[in-house]
Amino acid sequence: DMKVTQMPRYLIKRMGENVLLECGQDMSHETMYWYRQDPGLGLQLIYISYDVDSNSEGDIPKGYRVSRKKREHFSLILDSAKTNQTSVYFCASSSGQDTQYFGPGTRLLVL
Amino acid sequence: GEQVEQRPPHLSVREGDSAFIICTYTDSATAYFYWYKQEPGAGLQLLMSVFSNVDRKEEQGLTVLLNKKDKQLSLNLTAAHPGDSAVYFCAVRNTGANTGKLTFGHGTILRVHP
Repeated sequence: DMKVTQMPRYLIKRMGENVLLECGQDMSHETMYWYRQDPGLGLQLIYISYDVDSNSEGDIPKGYRVSRKKREHFSLILDSAKTNQTSVYFCASSSGQDTQYFGPGTRLLVL
Repeated sequence: GEQVEQRPPHLSVREGDSAFIICTYTDSATAYFYWYKQEPGAGLQLLMSVFSNVDRKEEQGLTVLLNKKDKQLSLNLTAAHPGDSAVYFCAVRNTGANTGKLTFGHGTILRVHP
């Protein structure tokens, strides 16, 4: 069963704290993505990973970094979170450039 | 870069009626087109994907039309039912970008009421 998982599903942090969002997939997809979704803005691409240790910036990478040490895991890190990083974060994966499959999302609130 | 405009932002229809959503894109090199559905609190679920050599695709009460001349992609839900209530997103990707990057519309909130 093809699946993209995200942990945690909900997270509350204070401004300045570090945040780690985890994503996993069981489809052996090479490519993985992190997006954020804000009301009225659709999804905006933060980072793409083409495989282990092969990551590229998306459209809004500022304030974020990523880590991919295993093909099935892709992490999004916020060093010193800011209130404007309150959002819903989605991870996705694809085989090459084929259809992207999305996880259920992580709702992050930064106070 | 690619821009995608999606209309309408909100749509309310009666059960059994059709719901029509349209996206207009800007890059003529766009070759891959997708429609996703997002239910409350959930991720995006792929509804249908089409390649640029397809003008019309129908599946399970959904019709996707692609008008390359006008750079428009549409989704029609025939005989909508309350379970279709969700947010719908179009997304596009072009062949020139070797990144797999999708550009999304801003979404349409569809409400189907009895």
